[in-house]
Amino acid sequence: GAVVSQHPSRVICKSGTSVKIECRSLDFQATTMFWYRQFPKQSLMLMATSNEGSKATYEQGVEKDKFLINHASLTLSTLTVTSAHPEDSSFYICSAETSGTYNEQFFGPGTRLTVL
Amino acid sequence: KQEVTQIPAALSVPEGENLVLNCSFTDSAIYNLQWFRQDPGKGLTSLLLIQSSQREQTSGRLNASLDKSSGRSTLYIAASQPGDSATYLCAVHTGTASKLTFGTGTRLQVTL
Repeated sequence: GAVVSQHPSRVICKSGTSVKIECRSLDFQATTMFWYRQFPKQSLMLMATSNEGSKATYEQGVEKDKFLINHASLTLSTLTVTSAHPEDSSFYICSAETSGTYNEQFFGPGTRLTVL
Repeated sequence: KQEVTQIPAALSVPEGENLVLNCSFTDSAIYNLQWFRQDPGKGLTSLLLIQSSQREQTSGRLNASLDKSSGRSTLYIAASQPGDSATYLCAVHTGTASKLTFGTGTRLQVTL
């Protein structure tokens, strides 16, 4: 199956700093990538849809100025959590969608963000 | 708005048992349905994808069925093993927006 990587896998930062998370599709090109957030023992909640070369589409309730998304190439999307606060601590997971007849999403291993 | 529910929320079975996980969704106008596995603190591993025109998909000991009209899918795991212990998530892809709506998950524990 297709492989998606995320970097870093874990990050601890001080309140007020910005954190960038990278999502890469390693063996396929993805015009569309997705960013999810997962709280402990809860399911995944879609934050935004990232399209290569255009602005991301954010879900209702997600602050676009807080969570900056850049999809500069067909294999890379980044999520920057700006001025992070403890309530932003969560597990962030990205996915990349294959093109063609069957739109299947492949997920990265996730990034654990802890804001002190 | 699409809502996805999974029953049971948690399940514990002895090794070797066959088991069924259930997933239901409110809007039957789906594009496809995926079953995923998630180990603690890890990302998601895609297990099976069923297109809306299909009734079932099989991969090894896993069999997923889809009844779109009734808004239900099941994941059948044959001869369960301790390595199957994980959280299983179903997700439906509704319409053309490429969005996946996830269920609440079933935490499975297979005991020796």
